[in-house]
Amino acid sequence: DAKTTQPTSMDCAEGRAANLPCNHSTISGNEYVYWYRQIHSQGPQYIIHGLKNNETNEMASLIITEDRKSSTLILPHATLRDTAVYYCIVTGQGGSEKLVFGKGTKLTVNP
Amino acid sequence: GAVVSQHPSWVICKSGTSVKIECRSLDFQATTMFWYRQFPKQSLMLMATSNEGSKATYEQGVEKDKFLINHASLTLSTLTVTSAHPEDSSFYICSADGASGNTDTQYFGPGTRLTVL
Repeated sequence: DAKTTQPTSMDCAEGRAANLPCNHSTISGNEYVYWYRQIHSQGPQYIIHGLKNNETNEMASLIITEDRKSSTLILPHATLRDTAVYYCIVTGQGGSEKLVFGKGTKLTVNP
Repeated sequence: GAVVSQHPSWVICKSGTSVKIECRSLDFQATTMFWYRQFPKQSLMLMATSNEGSKATYEQGVEKDKFLINHASLTLSTLTVTSAHPEDSSFYICSADGASGNTDTQYFGPGTRLTVL
């Protein structure tokens, strides 16, 4: 079973920031928070990951609470192409670790 | 970089036949590859973990004799659905460990849609 809970769906206006929350209250000390997204009928795309510090890359920012029990993925300026299902996954570090996908959040960016 | 391809992108077959799906890491080597299955309106479910040169590790409930996985090289893994039936119709997705490319993540293929008539 997935170790994370996310809202089923969210809406965002184009050009505005999209803030996607994730709860992972049972995260272990050596587990990372990974975010992937899946655009309809495509394979998932890696977005970002982090351990305890906030992270930022060209796609998004990841804010992890100090107690690491929750996190927020931020898309600073959402576009229509960001409409997708976003998955928050807790796992060990590295690409050889198993990923357990929950139901994710369906983000719809509206014009 | 870090591109994973799958072939074919879609396939239609008759019940009882076998179908082979290829997963290739195009610009990096992948010691570990994963196979997932996704039914309509559902999330991805891990089927098996494939390590180059060794037998695949299957998740509980996945029939290893039905879903044959071969990972003979560091850039290629194959999934063969043997004696396919309509209930095997699904979206099959592979991913590859990007560690050889100095990343801490998996890279996913575009998926293969299998329809069994």
